[in-house]
Amino acid sequence: GAVVSQHPSWVICKSGTSVKIECRSLDFQATTMFWYRQFPKQSLMLMATSNEGSKATYEQGVEKDKFLINHASLTLSTLTVTSAHPEDSSFYICSALGRGIHEQYFGPGTRLTVT
Amino acid sequence: GENVEQHPSTLSVQEGDSAVIKCTYSDSASNYFPWYKQELGKGPQLIIDIRSNVGEKKDQRIAVTLNKTAKHFSLHITETQPEDSAVYFCAANYGGSQGNLIFGKGTKLSVKP
Repeated sequence: GAVVSQHPSWVICKSGTSVKIECRSLDFQATTMFWYRQFPKQSLMLMATSNEGSKATYEQGVEKDKFLINHASLTLSTLTVTSAHPEDSSFYICSALGRGIHEQYFGPGTRLTVT
Repeated sequence: GENVEQHPSTLSVQEGDSAVIKCTYSDSASNYFPWYKQELGKGPQLIIDIRSNVGEKKDQRIAVTLNKTAKHFSLHITETQPEDSAVYFCAANYGGSQGNLIFGKGTKLSVKP
């Protein structure tokens, strides 16, 4: 099956700093990637959708200047959390759709803790 | 707006018994319904999905049924095993795009040996 990886798997950063999370499709070309946020014991909430080579589409209530998404290639999307605050601490998960792949495959997630 | 309701929120069964999780959706245009299994600290794993042109799909111990008229779909796990213990999420697409998914709140399944 299709494999999606994320890096890092966990990260701790200080309040006010920025952190970048990478999402890679390892064995297929991801035409669309999705970024989700999941708080403890809650469901996945879609943050934004990104298509290769174009600007990301953000869900209502998600600050595009705070959560910068770049989908520069067919195998890589990045999420940068800028000026992180403790309330940004969460589990961030990416997923991908590709050419000829009609199912959405998820990465293993990145645990972000902002101190 | 679009919504997916999932029940129950927790489910405890004895090993070998069956488990059923039910979801309802609101967008009549939804035509893709995946189910995901999420273990603690990991990303969701697609376990089965169904499209609106079929009413039932089975893969070994796992089956999904879809009733488009009633707008509900269900996950059935037979002969449950302790390794089936996890949180299960249903989802439905919306906006006419297979990529846009809205998730249910999840069901924590515990299989007791």
